[in-house]
Amino acid sequence: AQKVTQAQTEISVVEKEDVTLDCVYETRDTTYYLFWYKQPPSGELVFLIRRNSFDEQNEISGRYSWNFQKSTSSFNFTITASQVVDSAVYFCALSEDIIQGAQKLVFGQGTRLTINP
Amino acid sequence: DTEVTQTPKHLVMGMTNKKSLKCEQHMGHRAMYWYKQKAKKPPELMFVYSYEKLSINESVPSRFSPECPNSSLLNLHLHALQPEDSALYLCASSTRQGKSQPQHFGDGTRLSIL
Repeated sequence: AQKVTQAQTEISVVEKEDVTLDCVYETRDTTYYLFWYKQPPSGELVFLIRRNSFDEQNEISGRYSWNFQKSTSSFNFTITASQVVDSAVYFCALSEDIIQGAQKLVFGQGTRLTINP
Repeated sequence: DTEVTQTPKHLVMGMTNKKSLKCEQHMGHRAMYWYKQKAKKPPELMFVYSYEKLSINESVPSRFSPECPNSSLLNLHLHALQPEDSALYLCASSTRQGKSQPQHFGDGTRLSIL
């Protein structure tokens, strides 16, 4: 069975600090996809990034960066110079095919990130 | 702005009421999903529609009745709900390319059962 673990339930830092959110996954698939979503207080889950199992390059997008390591089954997310607007719940997820044309997301429990001014 | 639109944003209803949640997307996605999310928990999958046909029902009680009138619309009909059904209900959609594609979520409907 597929599983995603986000061990950090809550993180609180002061603005401008760097912060890393951990994600560890389990899967027997050789081809798989990992996602990060952000959920601000408004409720919508905002897609941040997708990574497939064949691409181990790290990704950087502005203040956000992602470190994918197959050897440790981890897909960690770092925010550099955090800002108050980064405060949200962040979910790591693994997708699996369920039927033709549709997929199921296996979510971690989420990490609530609070950035204090 | 989200490309998946959900209405209403908030709903308060009694246990004997009948109401419906609506979800609309115009991205040409052929897979649509309903999720339930309780506070401090991840979303839980309820239903999956693929090509307007119900494909997955994750053992959801019959007081929740989904409907997909066309490829852009997804409804969730509610009847005789219980207080424990109070939650955020999220709709999502994805392309037909399966697990490689991200799901796009709406803002959700916050439902309170009195």
